[in-house]
Amino acid sequence: AQTVTQSQPEMSVQEAETVTLSCTYDTSESDYYLFWYKQPPSRQMILVIRQEAYKQQNATENRFSVNFQKAAKSFSLKISDSQLGDAAMYFCAYRSSPSYGKLTFGQGTILTVHP
Amino acid sequence: DAGVIQSPRHEVTEMGQEVTLRCKPISGHNSLFWYRQTMMRGLELLIYFNNNVPIDDSGMPEDRFSAKMPNASFSTLKIQPSEPRDSAVYFCASSPEGTSVYEQYFGPGTRLTVT
Repeated sequence: AQTVTQSQPEMSVQEAETVTLSCTYDTSESDYYLFWYKQPPSRQMILVIRQEAYKQQNATENRFSVNFQKAAKSFSLKISDSQLGDAAMYFCAYRSSPSYGKLTFGQGTILTVHP
Repeated sequence: DAGVIQSPRHEVTEMGQEVTLRCKPISGHNSLFWYRQTMMRGLELLIYFNNNVPIDDSGMPEDRFSAKMPNASFSTLKIQPSEPRDSAVYFCASSPEGTSVYEQYFGPGTRLTVT
């Protein structure tokens, strides 16, 4: 079974600075997808970014980018120019090949943004 | 689109009572997922439907839990009888499986409290 590990229970960053959240996973599969979800205090789960394992290029969405290291099974999220609205719980999630939709989540990292 | 709709948003009930949580997926999405979020276990998949058919219910904790999807636009998760350890946030998510889009879109969740 796949497992996802987020080793940082909490992180903090100053507004306008950059922060990186870590995620590692364990799988024997070669075709899979990785996601970062954001959960603000409203508890709504919001997709931040996704990465297909077959793509070597790291995904980028505005201020959010990932560092995907397939051999190391690492998938970190970098938030640039942090904003107060980025404060939330962040979850890393793994999904097997397209034929099976289950998401396996990490434990989450609470991000605090200081003004 | 209105997004994934869940009702109720909050439910407080007494131990032993029946609880029914409802979900309306995004129109056109053919896969539906029920997740449970607790402090102890994090986010975990309970059951996954594809084209209204249950594909994986291995996450359903015990016989007290049941889920149905009578049509493409409606699903229920029922707990009977409820117990205090069922207190959690229950999320419904939907996805357009079989396309190039693999993201799961989450509803706002139902916070269940069993006293």
